[in-house]
Amino acid sequence: RKEVEQDPGPFNVPEGATVAFNCTYSNSASQSFFWYRQDCRKEPKLLMSVYSSGNEDGRFTAQLNRASQYISLLIRDSKLSDSATYLCVVPTRTGRRALTFGSGTRLQVQP
Amino acid sequence: DGGITQSPKYLFRKEGQNVTLSCEQNLNHDAMYWYRQDPGQGLRLIYYSQIVNDFQKGDIAEGYSVSREKKESFPLTVTSAQKNPTAFYLCASSIGTAGNQPQHFGDGTRLSIL
Repeated sequence: RKEVEQDPGPFNVPEGATVAFNCTYSNSASQSFFWYRQDCRKEPKLLMSVYSSGNEDGRFTAQLNRASQYISLLIRDSKLSDSATYLCVVPTRTGRRALTFGSGTRLQVQP
Repeated sequence: DGGITQSPKYLFRKEGQNVTLSCEQNLNHDAMYWYRQDPGQGLRLIYYSQIVNDFQKGDIAEGYSVSREKKESFPLTVTSAQKNPTAFYLCASSIGTAGNQPQHFGDGTRLSIL
């Protein structure tokens, strides 16, 4: 099983829609998880950190399911500016003190 | 403002040439990282460092070298042994060294072959 897996998308949704992405991970010992946002040809930027069952920040909600080893990101009331690639990030399984980045899920919000 | 500065923004390499990408941070972060991103792909770890004068190989270290002589600086050299260097290179740092804290990125260097 890959350390982190994401559906590449693209997810094409209309403005105002609610959209959810899932991410599965293999390191059952992970205690911290992150969602990053990456715009085209730009650097990734931290969107949310998830340390327990979940986290909410405005229109964005991240939920963690440890039993099934997946993390979800829910975006409510989608805006055109939410169009980007969303990266799921987990601590590396091998004991290396680093993070493993998923390949990302692309979201396109349409007018 | 605190942050991570990468330079140059664009770089061109000739055949057989070594080139060095700069990464400087004034966040007082202990750990620093180098990633490579190819078009439409995810980030792959090249090298990382948790302390001055120490660094470890990532998943794709062949053809690259690094140094960490100062806490705030972590330059990456792309050597002539790296046969396919065209990519987007990202430097990141994190406050802790456990590998379980968020990383903050510079705005990257795009390297191309002439």
